[in-house]
Amino acid sequence: GEDVEQSLFLSVREGDSSVINCTYTDSSSTYLYWYKQEPGAGLQLLTYIFSNMDMKQDQRLTVLLNKKDKHLSLRIADTQTGDSAIYFCAEKGGSYIPTFGRGTSLIVHP
Amino acid sequence: KAGVTQTPRYLIKTRGQQVTLSCSPISGHRSVSWYQQTPGQGLQFLFEYFSETQRNKGNFPGRFSGRQFSNSRSEMNVSTLELGDSALYLCASSLETQTSYGYTFGSGTRLTVV
Repeated sequence: GEDVEQSLFLSVREGDSSVINCTYTDSSSTYLYWYKQEPGAGLQLLTYIFSNMDMKQDQRLTVLLNKKDKHLSLRIADTQTGDSAIYFCAEKGGSYIPTFGRGTSLIVHP
Repeated sequence: KAGVTQTPRYLIKTRGQQVTLSCSPISGHRSVSWYQQTPGQGLQFLFEYFSETQRNKGNFPGRFSGRQFSNSRSEMNVSTLELGDSALYLCASSLETQTSYGYTFGSGTRLTVV
């Protein structure tokens, strides 16, 4: 089946930028998503990008898509301790049901 | 408006028992999807309901079932519980089936099977 890969952990200092990376295998992916999960909570949709876009910016969040390499990234500018959470990449393609990565734990140090 | 509500938040059951979890979607949302989240497997899709009909099903055994009511509320049932069923069960709602615009998730039901 289709696969979505993310690194497990990322540690950054408060005020720095964070970049969370994701790769996927489904060449028919049409939408790609970033979700955030805080402890004890469900997943919160942060942003999504359509596959014909290269970049999408929303306040401190920048999503970059390299469709040729099937690589998606989420950049968080001026990372705060409140950004500490697990970030999930997901893609939706021919199967119509999103496939989620395992999540990247972002740890922000003061 | 109210978010996606899942009840109960926590549940402890014994092997062999059965359990029913409930999900109330955002008002106006007609599609409800269920996911199982475990540290080992991540998020695994269980099934999706839209207008009281199961539209999609993941690769889970028949012990896992669900239904949707006319008010879009959904329940999932797990029979003959196994230790490996211990997980966070997440419900996600959306306006339409197979939405492209992402889900709104509930906080989940944490099921522990002992």
